[in-house]
Amino acid sequence: AQKVTQAQTEISVVEKEDVTLDCVYETRDTTYYLFWYKQPPSGELVFLIRRNSFDEQNEISGRYSWNFQKSTSSFNFTITASQVVDSAVYFCAPKKSLTNTGNQFYFGTGTSLTVIP
Amino acid sequence: NAGVTQTPKFQVLKTGQSMTLQCAQDMNHNSMYWYRQDPGMGLRLIYYSASEGTTDKGEVPNGYNVSRLNKREFSLRLESAAPSQTSVYFCASSVITGGVRNSPLHFGNGTRLTVT
Repeated sequence: AQKVTQAQTEISVVEKEDVTLDCVYETRDTTYYLFWYKQPPSGELVFLIRRNSFDEQNEISGRYSWNFQKSTSSFNFTITASQVVDSAVYFCAPKKSLTNTGNQFYFGTGTSLTVIP
Repeated sequence: NAGVTQTPKFQVLKTGQSMTLQCAQDMNHNSMYWYRQDPGMGLRLIYYSASEGTTDKGEVPNGYNVSRLNKREFSLRLESAAPSQTSVYFCASSVITGGVRNSPLHFGNGTRLTVT
């Protein structure tokens, strides 16, 4: 069975600080993709970044960076120089299957980030 | 480009009433999904449709039915609403063909449903 855990339920940081959100995905699958979504107070869900399980290099996209540690199945998502507009709930969502059918995206319970001005 | 459109945005039902949530996408995606979001639970998959003509159960399908009317539209029906179905419902779509296996979900803006 797959299990996705976001242990941090709420985080508060002061503006311009860096913040790291954690996600652990326990699965027997050896290859998979994991996605991060942002849900601001307005309620919509916005795709931020994706990562596969077979490339352990860090990735950077603007103020977002992405680190995967295969040994612990841990995906750490970092926002550099946080801004008030980053205040939102962040969800990690692994994709269960890489086949053309039967794809299912499962979501963690989310981490609520508050950036204090 | 509207993306994923859900209707209605808000709905209040009485226990036992039925209703259908509508979802349409104009991105030519082949896969569509219905999720529900409850406080502290994240998003849970109700049903999904990998392609036109197919539907499959997700994590929490009880009390729901779905119809993939065509490639664009995927509806969710509550036959006999219960207070436990009070939630925010999100429809999503994605491309899952060929080499585009890491395509993300594109979400609608959600339907807030209250069952009294």
